[in-house]
Amino acid sequence: QKEVEQNSGPLSVPEGAIASLNCTYSDRVSQSFFWYRQYSGKSPELIMSIYSNGDKEDGRFTAQLNKASQYVSLLIRDSQPSDSATYLCAVKPGVSNFGNEKLTFGTGTRLTIIP
Amino acid sequence: EAQVTQNPRYLITVTGKKLTVTCSQNMNHEYMSWYRQDPGLGLRQIYYSMNVEVTDKGDVPEGYKVSRKEKRNFPLILESPSPNQTSLYFCASSLWGLAGVNEQFFGPGTRLTVL
Repeated sequence: QKEVEQNSGPLSVPEGAIASLNCTYSDRVSQSFFWYRQYSGKSPELIMSIYSNGDKEDGRFTAQLNKASQYVSLLIRDSQPSDSATYLCAVKPGVSNFGNEKLTFGTGTRLTIIP
Repeated sequence: EAQVTQNPRYLITVTGKKLTVTCSQNMNHEYMSWYRQDPGLGLRQIYYSMNVEVTDKGDVPEGYKVSRKEKRNFPLILESPSPNQTSLYFCASSLWGLAGVNEQFFGPGTRLTVL
């Protein structure tokens, strides 16, 4: 089993609809979770970080974390064509301590917003 | 302007010819990291550094070396490049605190081709 898994897509969503992106992880003691957006040919940029169970909202974006089920999701409301990109889930396995700061990325989900 | 810079942006080389890709950040970040990105495999961490003279392996360190002699610089060294190291490389930096690694800021990427 991969440490961090994402559906590679492509995921096509009509403009104005809700896009739902999912990510599962294998390390039960993972503490930190991040969603990055990467436009084609560009570097990843952070969208959301989440550390506690539940929802975290920032504008049109909501990150959801369920540690018991080992999944983290990203919802994009009122999807816009500019949201078309690859979304990367990143997980920091284990408890933060000196010498354990690896960060593992999923392979990403390609999202296309259809006007 | 806060940024992570990488040089060169593009490099074509031959098998066995040592090369160095430089990375520099101006945000006084403790944590720096190198990733490679390959189609279907996503972003994979090569090495990371939590501060000067402190480095550790990521998921795919074989064939790479790093050093962290100054806080702002984190060069990636390929002593004897091989064709399977043809990839897109990203350097990233972030603050590091009690919760561990935070938002990472990525450089623009270096596209390396090894013939």
